[in-house]
Amino acid sequence: NAGVIQTPRHKVTGKGQEATLWCEPISGHSAVFWYRQTIVQGLEFLTYFRNQAPIDDSGMPKERFSAQMPNQSHSTLKIQSTQPQDSAVYLCASSLVWGLNQDTQYFGPGTRLLVL
Amino acid sequence: QQQVRQSPQSLTVWEGETAILNCSYENSAFDYFPWYQQFPGEGPALLIAIRSVSDKKEDGRFTIFFNKREKKLSLHITDSQPGDSATYFCAASLIASSSFSKLVFGQGTSLSVVP
Repeated sequence: NAGVIQTPRHKVTGKGQEATLWCEPISGHSAVFWYRQTIVQGLEFLTYFRNQAPIDDSGMPKERFSAQMPNQSHSTLKIQSTQPQDSAVYLCASSLVWGLNQDTQYFGPGTRLLVL
Repeated sequence: QQQVRQSPQSLTVWEGETAILNCSYENSAFDYFPWYQQFPGEGPALLIAIRSVSDKKEDGRFTIFFNKREKKLSLHITDSQPGDSATYFCAASLIASSSFSKLVFGQGTSLSVVP
């Protein structure tokens, strides 16, 4: 089991460019989460998919950010017109199930995004 | 609104000592409290977790003490080792629900264990 895979590990973009981050959850896990980590804000929840369906995106900035899960083996987080304040480590996590007394989220290594 | 708070922000202990990391929360409905360990350049990894029905959870050198009435918990790391030097995050969620409840993380405690 390779764990949660995230690519790329590092990405540098210019202000105004688009950034697409990829996540491959652990095989068989039905729950996929995206988080953003910065020194100032800490670990912030962005969005959650269950069985590929978007369930909660309450943490997503309303503009420029979008997430998809086209199949059970990968999810993408897209940031349009990137801004310097988007610089952060973006973490993907997966869980066998989440809720109804099922727990344990497994995190990937993250993608470090730097917007110049 | 900071629903989960951790203290201290940073902690230094000598090798062999017990490190105590503190956490408090605001939402009395939270019933699941995992602690995550994160090394530089890596994602957080689950270290140990406790449910609100218990007041203590032990796993080797790591023990969680939980006080539901005061909405506080602590992570004790006994016989601390230099390899324990990392950032520790306390988190909370409502797991026994059919509705989605996200994990809410504290700001973390950076632990340094000096040989």
